[in-house]
Amino acid sequence: NAGVTQTPKFQVLKTGQSMTLQCAQDMNHNSMYWYRQDPGMGLRLIYYSASEGTTDKGEVPNGYNVSRLNKREFSLRLESAAPSQTSVYFCASSVPGQGQPYSNQPQHFGDGTRLSIL
Amino acid sequence: GNSVTQMEGPVTLSEEAFLTINCTYTATGYPSLFWYVQYPGEGLQLLLKATKADDKGSNKGFEATYRKETTSFHLEKGSVQVSDSAVYFCALSVPNAGGTSYGKLTFGQGTILTVHP
Repeated sequence: NAGVTQTPKFQVLKTGQSMTLQCAQDMNHNSMYWYRQDPGMGLRLIYYSASEGTTDKGEVPNGYNVSRLNKREFSLRLESAAPSQTSVYFCASSVPGQGQPYSNQPQHFGDGTRLSIL
Repeated sequence: GNSVTQMEGPVTLSEEAFLTINCTYTATGYPSLFWYVQYPGEGLQLLLKATKADDKGSNKGFEATYRKETTSFHLEKGSVQVSDSAVYFCALSVPNAGGTSYGKLTFGQGTILTVHP
């Protein structure tokens, strides 16, 4: 009963390095999301994917890229890491219920990736 | 745009005390409202939700009522336990015209709750 799985759980990078955060869900959900969590700011949406093959920018997309590899997997890439990207990153997924609009549906979250950039 | 404002924290209570965490919102449309809870070292979990005015969401002794006239969704619990210590997030989701918001959530800043025995 895994739900949403994120890897890695912790990572330390140097400024300018690149890395990819992985996310997979086993609930057959259509929509997937990447958020970052910073103290006193709640969670802010970076990118989302409404279905396999589509991605769109959220509130804070600069410095990130995403790939919706298939229905299960949605990765987040930092091409050139900056200290301002030090944060906790959460992946989430959701699916609309039958006859329900997307906005009614809760999201299911992974346990997060704690990323430090020196 | 859409925004959510939660009461400033942290909140510290003794076990069995009454809890209220205030949440107000602004939205360009008719939002669905959510409370999520985050336990230490974990991701967020849905606590409760309400999708239309005057709906009451409830779960695990927590309640919140969707008040459209005051644009509020305050979280309450009559008697907190040490195990309720966590961070609580109020959030909303608004459908665009045609219902294409794809469930994007706007979060408040979170309220840290600590309950002492």
